[in-house]
Amino acid sequence: GQQVMQIPQYQHVQEGEDFTTYCNSSTTLSNIQWYKQRPGGHPVFLIQLVKSGEVKKQKRLTFQFGEAKKNSSLHITATQTTDVGTYFCACQGYGNKLVFGAGTILRVKS
Amino acid sequence: NAGVTQTPKFRVLKTGQSMTLLCAQDMNHEYMYWYRQDPGMGLRLIHYSVGEGTTAKGEVPDGYNVSRLKKQNFLLGLESAAPSQTSVYFCASSYVGQKNIQYFGAGTRLSVL
Repeated sequence: GQQVMQIPQYQHVQEGEDFTTYCNSSTTLSNIQWYKQRPGGHPVFLIQLVKSGEVKKQKRLTFQFGEAKKNSSLHITATQTTDVGTYFCACQGYGNKLVFGAGTILRVKS
Repeated sequence: NAGVTQTPKFRVLKTGQSMTLLCAQDMNHEYMYWYRQDPGMGLRLIHYSVGEGTTAKGEVPDGYNVSRLKKQNFLLGLESAAPSQTSVYFCASSYVGQKNIQYFGAGTRLSVL
């Protein structure tokens, strides 16, 4: 079955530093989604990438989809305390199901 | 719009007890899902439904049953709870035309003693 690897598992940064999390799938994807879960909260959809090599930005967040449609990254520029939480990638193959990565926990020191 | 509503929010069970978790969505979504979330393991799919009256197994279905008698509701049942089922359970729904973007409920925190 489809395997999804997300790294790092955990990152602790100083406020103002950048942060990147990476997601790798064992199979070619139809699309990839990113979700954010605040501590004690539920996952909330951030963005979906569909096209090979696609890059999308949301303010300080930059999302990339690899050329082979098997990997993706989320980069946060100049982290703020409001960025804390767990960031999940969710990989959609050519079926009905999403497969979630294990998530990257981000902590920000002010 | 309430979105996706889960009840209860918290529950403590003894081993062997049964319970049902209720998920309701008011967005007219076709697809509904049940996930469990355990530390370091992300979200694992238990069961899902692509429409009223249909259900299918996900990645970790053992020990759980589901029913989707109405489009807006998706029930998750534990017939004989075990300590290994201690977890946070999330329900989600999605619209088939949005390439499976999922909307999550607030979660149910279940402890089995």
